Amino acid sequence: AQSVAQPEDQVNVAEGNPLTVKCTYSVSGNPYLFWYVQYPNRGLQFLLKYITGDNLVKGSYGFEAEFNKSQTSFHLKKPSALVSDSALYFCAVRGGFKTIFGAGTRLFVKA
Amino acid sequence: DSGVTQTPKHLITATGQRVTLRCSPRSGDLSVYWYQQSLDQGLQFLIQYYNGEERAKGNILERFSAQQFPDLHSELNLSSLELGDSALYFCASSFREDTEAFFGQGTRLTVV
Repeated sequence: AQSVAQPEDQVNVAEGNPLTVKCTYSVSGNPYLFWYVQYPNRGLQFLLKYITGDNLVKGSYGFEAEFNKSQTSFHLKKPSALVSDSALYFCAVRGGFKTIFGAGTRLFVKA
Repeated sequence: DSGVTQTPKHLITATGQRVTLRCSPRSGDLSVYWYQQSLDQGLQFLIQYYNGEERAKGNILERFSAQQFPDLHSELNLSSLELGDSALYFCASSFREDTEAFFGQGTRLTVV
């Protein structure tokens, strides 16, 4: 069975600094990996995905993620954080027909 | 706007009652997923349909059931409601099972 772990409940970063939101996964076979963002009282919005190919994936709003097969990780990154990036971030993995989400990491960006 | 429509947006009902949540997927999407989001449980996968057929089940209680109709809209039925069923219920859709999902705004269910 697949699983996703987001080890940090919350990440705090100053505006303009780089940010990283961590995700590790466990799945049989090749993973399909996703990042989503949720703003208050809204549904989840797709940011980026890794299916195959380059380990560095670029997505929406300047976000990118690095797939590391040996460490079974898929960390979300952004070179320069914005206050408007403050939200709840979910990592997800698809194995078989199920897409399983991590518990979420709340990102706070201070001005 | 994701293109996924969920109704109603809010629902308040009493314990023991039954409710139906409705989801219209994005045009052309064949897969529909249902998730429950609560403060203490995070985002829990409930069930997935693909082109009318059930494809995967997650942590869905026996009191809950769902179906996807020929026009691809889906309904989630929750019965014998308990206080603990209060949560945000999301529907999502995708074109294929390996493509990203698009989420609706959710239905906030409050059981009193």
